[in-house]
Amino acid sequence: EAGVTQFPSHSVIEKGQTVTLRCDPISGHDNLYWYRRVMGKEIKFLLHFVKESKQDESGMPNNRFLAERTGGTYSTLKVQPAELEDSGVYFCASSQVGGRIGELFFGEGSRLTVL
Amino acid sequence: GENVEQHPSTLSVQEGDSAVIKCTYSDSASNYFPWYKQELGKRPQLIIDIRSNVGEKKDQRIAVTLNKTAKHFSLHITETQPEDSAVYFCAATSVGFQKLVFGTGTRLLVSP
Repeated sequence: EAGVTQFPSHSVIEKGQTVTLRCDPISGHDNLYWYRRVMGKEIKFLLHFVKESKQDESGMPNNRFLAERTGGTYSTLKVQPAELEDSGVYFCASSQVGGRIGELFFGEGSRLTVL
Repeated sequence: GENVEQHPSTLSVQEGDSAVIKCTYSDSASNYFPWYKQELGKRPQLIIDIRSNVGEKKDQRIAVTLNKTAKHFSLHITETQPEDSAVYFCAATSVGFQKLVFGTGTRLLVSP
């Protein structure tokens, strides 16, 4: 079974540019999450989709971040325009609805560096 | 909302020693506490979890303990091996919610 895949693995952009991160969850997983880890800090929740609906987006930092999950399959997270403080590792995770609580299947992350 | 603190941030031990990582949480409604391990360059993976109706849970060399009164929980690794070297994250949530709140991570280094 394929795991959660994320693309790109690493992106280096300049302040003010746009970046789009993509996540393909495990097939059949309706729950999809985005998290971010800034160096040395916690893995911080950004938002949660159930299928194509945003269940909780309370962690989104500001309106420069836009997440979509059209069709309830893969998801994208766009940062526009990027700022220096957006640098970090963006993790996507998925889980089954009704599955084992807390068992999130993570991707390997997309490292974003904003110069 | 929930806040999880984790200590220490780094931990170095000799192979065969025990390692203990501690976390505290703030929300008394939290009742589920998983631990994730992230090896270098790899994805975080669930290694053990505990619910609030249990005080301790073991799985081979790893164990987790929970003190609900004090709102803290700990990960214990015995007979550490070099392959235990990784970053460990604790987390907390309420059953019925799907949002994990993570600690800041502990980098464990096991030297041969």
